[in-house]
Amino acid sequence: EVQLVESGGGLVQPGGSLRLSCAASGFTFSSYWMSWVRQAPGKGLEWVANIKQDGSEKYYVDSVKGRFTISRDNAKNSLYLQMNSLRAEDTAVYYCARDPSELDYWGQGTLVTVSS
Amino acid sequence: AIRMTQSPSSFSASTGDRVTITCRASQGISSYLAWYQQKPGKAPKLLIYAASTLQSGVPSRFSGSGSGTDFTLTISCLQSEDFATYYCQQYYSYPHTFGGGTKVEIK
Repeated sequence: EVQLVESGGGLVQPGGSLRLSCAASGFTFSSYWMSWVRQAPGKGLEWVANIKQDGSEKYYVDSVKGRFTISRDNAKNSLYLQMNSLRAEDTAVYYCARDPSELDYWGQGTLVTVSS
Repeated sequence: AIRMTQSPSSFSASTGDRVTITCRASQGISSYLAWYQQKPGKAPKLLIYAASTLQSGVPSRFSGSGSGTDFTLTISCLQSEDFATYYCQQYYSYPHTFGGGTKVEIK
């Protein structure tokens, strides 16, 4: 059974940093692109970033470029999102998802709140 | 970035109704389109990919069609468990943008 479990969310002040993790199991992690998608409270879905199987390609939505970094550790079956210079508008539930092109499996999400 | 526009943004329907949701891309995306269902407090669930391919385990009352810029998601006979919000997403070019969502409510 495919499982994706996010962690690392919490309350952080504007300008602060946070690192999200996503632990994958039930599939060959190193064979798939992986993505992060976020959802602000009461709002729609926003694709944030994705990363190729070997980490050699990464893509980001413009609003996070230069502030967020996606990475992965295939030996640990883990996906990460390093978030720096956080803003109030980054407040959202962050989901990791398996990305064979469409997003076929999703984690339960982790809430990031940026507030003073 | 490609803009995805869904219509309507919300509507009310009854169990047994046939419902159609539309998604329009601001430029051609071939068939690189997926549909997701999301219920309150839950993660989205993939329903359809490649515009018309049903994800494994998804009931056959769901269907998708379209290519280029215009796409539709149809639920042939609405069930109680189908009341949710539906999103389209293009994965033709980066960023992989979502539509704004369509909330299907009980009439």
